[in-house]
Amino acid sequence: DTGVSQDPRHKITKRGQNVTFRCDPISEHNRLYWYRQTLGQGPEFLTYFQNEAQLEKSRLLSDRFSAERPKGSFSTLEIQRTEQGDSAMYLCASSMRTGFTDTQYFGPGTRLTVL
Amino acid sequence: KQEVTQIPAALSVPEGENLVLNCSFTDSAIYNLQWFRQDPGKGLTSLLLIQSSQREQTSGRLNASLDKSSGRSTLYIAASQPGDSATYLCAVPSSGNTPLVFGKGTRLSVIA
Repeated sequence: DTGVSQDPRHKITKRGQNVTFRCDPISEHNRLYWYRQTLGQGPEFLTYFQNEAQLEKSRLLSDRFSAERPKGSFSTLEIQRTEQGDSAMYLCASSMRTGFTDTQYFGPGTRLTVL
Repeated sequence: KQEVTQIPAALSVPEGENLVLNCSFTDSAIYNLQWFRQDPGKGLTSLLLIQSSQREQTSGRLNASLDKSSGRSTLYIAASQPGDSATYLCAVPSSGNTPLVFGKGTRLSVIA
């Protein structure tokens, strides 16, 4: 399977713990995006990378959140001192931008539950 | 700031009906618009991407139209099937940049 993969698929944690999610994009895609989706809402943008450079961060990304893409391939999203409000589906997407076309392909998501 | 609205929020139809889902956006300066499908608890599957220079895009029983000047798009599903039951999301790049802004989606149920 050459699609976007995410690990883990589900994570249950206690409030105050740190969690880390991983995303493996489609091979050779130069852009990687993180979104967050809560129940009944559309996904909301968190941050994105072009190769290893983090180009934009949303105001939703508080200082408890950090994302990396160290070698321009996979990416990690870490949430420190989790809060119940962090409970959501975290989606990763990748794309290969050509001209004005930037079709994003999404992974299956990581569902986070903070107790 | 780009905002996307989808109407209706939910729709239930009998199998075989043709249906239309609506999407509107506030900033018409977009490069493209994308329609996605999301099954419960799953990620997003890209259905169609319409470039700003296009007015329509078709894939099988799906047809998406784009009226950039009025800030509207529609997704037409022909001869609906129970397997079409899912949430359909519309998304546009935020103010010309590439992070997507999504609507809340339309939850479709096709009853056999």
